[in-house]
Amino acid sequence: EAGVAQSPRYKIIEKRQSVAFWCNPISGHATLYWYQQILGQGPKLLIQFQNNGVVDDSQLPKDRFSAERLKGVDSTLKIQPAKLEDSAVYLCASSRQGRGADTQYFGPGTRLTVL
Amino acid sequence: DAKTTQPNSMESNEEEPVHLPCNHSTISGTDYIHWYRQLPSQGPEYVIHGLTSNVNNRMASLAIAEDRKSSTLILHRATLRDAAVYYCILRDLNAGGTSYGKLTFGQGTILTVHP
Repeated sequence: EAGVAQSPRYKIIEKRQSVAFWCNPISGHATLYWYQQILGQGPKLLIQFQNNGVVDDSQLPKDRFSAERLKGVDSTLKIQPAKLEDSAVYLCASSRQGRGADTQYFGPGTRLTVL
Repeated sequence: DAKTTQPNSMESNEEEPVHLPCNHSTISGTDYIHWYRQLPSQGPEYVIHGLTSNVNNRMASLAIAEDRKSSTLILHRATLRDAAVYYCILRDLNAGGTSYGKLTFGQGTILTVHP
């Protein structure tokens, strides 16, 4: 089966600019996650969708970050305006149901550099 | 989320077994023990998970202590491709609300494999 797709793979922007990332999960997976991974750290969950509803966005900086999952399939994550500290890899993952023993499948990530 | 403790780094030689330890002294009865690994410039990938009994799959074995306060991921014959960051993560079987299916990554163990 095809894996989780993400685009773009790399993005360089200047601070205060806007940027958007796209994710296409594995077909049939109800749960979609966006993680932020700063260099040298483990990934941190930003937002979790169950179908097209938000389950957890407690660590999403809502003043600048937004995400949507239209029709419960693809998702976009937006940053507006970007700050220097947003430089990181943004990982998208999906799983069948999102329950405790469910495997999460990760995409390759988008590496964002904010200058 | 219950916390895990892992060594920052470990080294191994190619074709030798590797034992990666993880301490989780505050584990609850409904926590699954998951292992993911992250190869350079890639998203994390699932390795193995277990609840109480030892588990084997094509990638690795998971040995769980009788009191469940620690576990060990065993790579039977390390290859250069196994060089990665290995994350030990606890996930609640009955997760609901804001912890629904979420993976909370720590720093992980950086495994170096020497030819």
